[in-house]
Amino acid sequence: DTGVSQDPRHKITKRGQNVTFRCDPISEHNRLYWYRQTLGQGPEFLTYFQNEAQLEKSRLLSDRFSAERPKGSFSTLEIQRTEQGDSAMYLCASSLVQGELFFGEGSRLTVL
Amino acid sequence: KNEVEQSPQNLTAQEGEFITINCSYSVGISALHWLQQHPGGGIVSLFMLSSGKKKHGRLIATINIQEKHSSLHITASHPRDSAVYICAVIPGTGNQFYFGTGTSLTVIP
Repeated sequence: DTGVSQDPRHKITKRGQNVTFRCDPISEHNRLYWYRQTLGQGPEFLTYFQNEAQLEKSRLLSDRFSAERPKGSFSTLEIQRTEQGDSAMYLCASSLVQGELFFGEGSRLTVL
Repeated sequence: KNEVEQSPQNLTAQEGEFITINCSYSVGISALHWLQQHPGGGIVSLFMLSSGKKKHGRLIATINIQEKHSSLHITASHPRDSAVYICAVIPGTGNQFYFGTGTSLTVIP
């Protein structure tokens, strides 16, 4: 499969725990985006990378959230000290510059 | 205020009907995307366009840059078209995408 893959697909955690999601984009895509989606809403932008550089970060992203793309390939999104309001689908997408957007299946987080 | 507005929010149609979903945006853009999301499923890109019209099978997307408006049309709708359709734009001065809240379409047999 050469699409965007995300891992894990589902994560259930207790409030206060840390969680990490991984995204493997399409290999030649230099742009990688993280979005969050809650039920009935469109995706909300969190952050994006061009190669290994994090170029933009949403004000929605508190200091509990951090994202990396160390080698310009896969990316990780870590949420520290999770809160119930963090429960959502976390979506990763990749593209070439100004190109078509390809999404992963998402990582669903449930914080109890 | 959301940079991208879609209408209607919800749409129910009988199989075979012609469907139109509208998207209006408030920023100058370099491209507009129409995306499809099935319940519990991932998001799939249907079209990327910056001018004119594109057609793929029963789906047609149009854009009017001057009016900052795009439409997605589905001809001869089918129950398998039932999904959420999302409009997303990439501003001309930025690099992130802005998304509409989506239009939930249900096609009844």
